[in-house]
Amino acid sequence: AQSVSQHNHHVILSEAASLELGCNYSYGGTVNLFWYVQYPGQHLQLLLKYFSGDPLVKGIKGFEAEFIKSKFSFNLRKPSVQWSDTAEYFCAVIETDKLIFGTGTRLQVFP
Amino acid sequence: DAGITQSPRYKITETGRQVTLMCHQTWSHSYMFWYRQDLGHGLRLIYYSAAADITDKGEVPDGYVVSRSKTENFPLTLESATRSQTSVYFCASRATSGNTDTQYFGPGTRLTVL
Repeated sequence: AQSVSQHNHHVILSEAASLELGCNYSYGGTVNLFWYVQYPGQHLQLLLKYFSGDPLVKGIKGFEAEFIKSKFSFNLRKPSVQWSDTAEYFCAVIETDKLIFGTGTRLQVFP
Repeated sequence: DAGITQSPRYKITETGRQVTLMCHQTWSHSYMFWYRQDLGHGLRLIYYSAAADITDKGEVPDGYVVSRSKTENFPLTLESATRSQTSVYFCASRATSGNTDTQYFGPGTRLTVL
C-alpha cells in the first residue's frame, strides 16, 4: 500500500524566511499528489495538487510544489513566509479513490 | 452554499455510550469519507462510501459504524465509546470531474470520551 512520509514534524521560521517542507511517497507509477493546509482551529483546505503535466505546481497564497518522479518526492515551497502561514501542512496521495495522508508538519512563523 | 457541515462541533461523552456524528454535504458528491486526526498520526481514514448504500472500511474502522441511506448524509456512530476514540473527526466529500479529483473537508467534530 502507498504511504506518505513528511520528515519535518515541526518547523519554526521567522517572517520572510524561505520554506521547504519535504514529502515522499512510497512507490511510483501514476500518482496524484496533494498538499493541504490546516490553520489553527480550522478544517483542511487544499493548497495545491499535481495530476500530470508541468511538475512545478503553483498553489494558493504563493505556495508551490515540485513533483520529482525519480525521488518519489513532492516538496512544498514558499520563497517568503508570513506570520499568517502558521498552520499544519499535510501531504497526501490518492490510492484507489482514497487519500493517504502524511503525519503532517507543524509550521510556526514568528514576526 | 453550505458545502459540507458537521454536527455537533464539540461533544463530551462517557465511556460505553453510543455517539453519532453527523455529516451533510450539499454538492451531491458520490464519495464521502470519515477521518480521525490524532497528534503524531495525521489523518487516518475510518470509513468511506462510494455512493448511497455502499460503504467500505478504511485504515481504522474498529469501533465505528457508518450508514449512507442518502447521498448527502454520512453519519458515523461510535457504538460504545472508548477513551482511545477521543479525537477530532473530519468528514470529507470528493469532487471528480474531468481532470479534477479533490476532497473537501468539513469543519470537524472534537470528541472527548471521559
